[in-house]
Amino acid sequence: TQLLEQSPQFLSIQEGENLTVYCNSSSVFSSLQWYRQEPGEGPVLLVTVVTGGEVKKLKRLTFQFGDARKDSSLHITAAQPGDTGLYLCAEVNAGNNRKLIWGLGTSLAVNP
Amino acid sequence: GAVVSQHPSRVICKSGTSVKIECRSLDFQATTMFWYRQFPKQSLMLMATSNEGSKATYEQGVEKDKFLINHASLTLSTLTVTSAHPEDSSFYICSASYLVGKAEAFFGQGTRLTVV
Repeated sequence: TQLLEQSPQFLSIQEGENLTVYCNSSSVFSSLQWYRQEPGEGPVLLVTVVTGGEVKKLKRLTFQFGDARKDSSLHITAAQPGDTGLYLCAEVNAGNNRKLIWGLGTSLAVNP
Repeated sequence: GAVVSQHPSRVICKSGTSVKIECRSLDFQATTMFWYRQFPKQSLMLMATSNEGSKATYEQGVEKDKFLINHASLTLSTLTVTSAHPEDSSFYICSASYLVGKAEAFFGQGTRLTVV
């Protein structure tokens, strides 16, 4: 299975700190999605970015899509223990049954 | 959003037995569903694409005789792990998405399989 580059793979921070997760590809993304997964559950979609340079905000989460549509980032401000989970980026292959190409994932632990 | 239900959420079976996992789309028709395997704190590894009314498409390295997929209706796909061994213990997740419109994948709750 083809995987996108995602970094860092593991991150452990204290409550209140900021963090950024990166997702990269050598080719242009058609569109990119970010998911969050809690232990023992399936992933849940956070956002979809489509246009180069696009910025979307979801409360304390800010998602950016690179101008060239080859990279994306997720920034969390003032992280809270409830943000703990696995964050995954995924590209939608529009021409193949909507098959998703996944990043390696970032396991985030926010300590109180 | 749409709901995908996966059952059971946890199962423990003896080595050598078979286990069936169900994935249902509750409020939409899914002609295509995907089956994933996931190890702790790692990404999703696609096992196969389940197509309603036809044979599943398996990813390289996934044994089709080991992991039987049946997609008999537009709302149900099943994954059967045959002759399970301890190394098959893992978290299995299914997903489905609309074929048109918003390309969001909806995931089941996952199944934790433990083979003893």
